[in-house]
Amino acid sequence: GAVVSQHPSRVICKSGTSVKIECRSLDFQATTMFWYRQFPKQSLMLMATSNEGSKATYEQGVEKDKFLINHASLTLSTLTVTSAHPEDSSFYICSAVRTAGSYEQYFGPGTRLTVT
Amino acid sequence: QQQVKQSPQSLIVQKGGISIINCAYENTAFDYFPWYQQFPGKGPALLIAIRPDVSEKKEGRFTISFNKSAKQFSLHIMDSQPGDSATYFCAASKDQGAQKLVFGQGTRLTINP
Repeated sequence: GAVVSQHPSRVICKSGTSVKIECRSLDFQATTMFWYRQFPKQSLMLMATSNEGSKATYEQGVEKDKFLINHASLTLSTLTVTSAHPEDSSFYICSAVRTAGSYEQYFGPGTRLTVT
Repeated sequence: QQQVKQSPQSLIVQKGGISIINCAYENTAFDYFPWYQQFPGKGPALLIAIRPDVSEKKEGRFTISFNKSAKQFSLHIMDSQPGDSATYFCAASKDQGAQKLVFGQGTRLTINP
């Protein structure tokens, strides 16, 4: 159990366009989801915390108008990169917490975004 | 104070040997310390985690040693295998702050056959 999927697994888009990435918890309801980005050979950096039915909480330095997060249901959170630029090219990973108050985060397989 | 420092950055171990990766933290409010394994192009997978009320936790070939007074914890991989070659991340979180994970810098482990 505790499977998290992401779609798409990789996407290439042109500069100035928007891209939506989906994160789904397949066999559990996720009270909280997190979005990370990871540059090559670097660690994961938390971008935002997403709670179902409420606004996302963004980490310092993350532009909330650029990275739109929607957590419309207990099994789905979406990250939309608006007006993408080459510097937004990265590996985006989501994670989900199965139980309120639980520490364990289950990670998705990641989405490779390339902006040309 | 939110940082978790991980070392070494890279590690090469012979098959059958013991791989040891270390992490140190500053924030004494951290109370959950997981280790993640990540293969190239994949998301991290939870390996093993420990809470500060125990000094050691073992699951199969993986052991976490935890030193609360030194604010350090380490991952030991016994009988290391080529399939263990991956990047390993330590992390920490605290009860407050929605259990947000703070990750170490990562260790690229290579097990030579």
